[in-house]
Amino acid sequence: SQTIHQWPATLVQPVGSPLSLECTVEGTSNPNLYWYRQAAGRGLQLLFYSVGIGQISSEVPQNLSASRPQDRQFILSSKKLLLSDSGFYLCANTGPSGATGELFFGEGSRLTVL
Amino acid sequence: GESVGLHLPTLSVQEGDNSIINCAYSNSASDYFIWYKQESGKGPQFIIDIRSNMDKRQGQRVTVLLNKTVKHLSLQIAATQPGDSAVYFCAEMANQGGKLIFGQGTELSVKP
Repeated sequence: SQTIHQWPATLVQPVGSPLSLECTVEGTSNPNLYWYRQAAGRGLQLLFYSVGIGQISSEVPQNLSASRPQDRQFILSSKKLLLSDSGFYLCANTGPSGATGELFFGEGSRLTVL
Repeated sequence: GESVGLHLPTLSVQEGDNSIINCAYSNSASDYFIWYKQESGKGPQFIIDIRSNMDKRQGQRVTVLLNKTVKHLSLQIAATQPGDSAVYFCAEMANQGGKLIFGQGTELSVKP
């Protein structure tokens, strides 16, 4: 079965510091990968998605970037964090069939920017 | 459309009652819909899905209804239990393999 690992689980960073959140997927190959952000008490916002190595689509203009250096690795980064970057970041991938659209989520990384 | 910027609506039900959670979607081209359950501090988990060629689908204690005319989706939970307390999201997709866009979410609270 496939699993998604995200780390770190929690992170407290000062404004202006860099960020790197990692996501790796096991048990599947060539997945579509997604980064979502969830602000406290709010819904899920799609930030980036990737259909393959080096292929990144950005959904909203923002202070963040994403990279996919390997088939099953997806990284979310920032050079200088803003207070508004605080939130719960979720990595997700499509299921084994791919075509169904069902997403499997990791356990998330909670970022607090002070 | 995107749910950013809105606080979650809440639904409070008595244990054992049926719950109905509603969702309005925005894209008339969406042809695939999913309901997710998110417990506090965790990632969303798949509950049930439905394609646009159907108007009803049943799972274990859950039923999803789709009304394409008014672009409305609902999740019915029978005999609601305390373990059902969570935030529930609907999600829509246009074309297989496309982006999954989440709705606002509803917080379900089950009173014992």
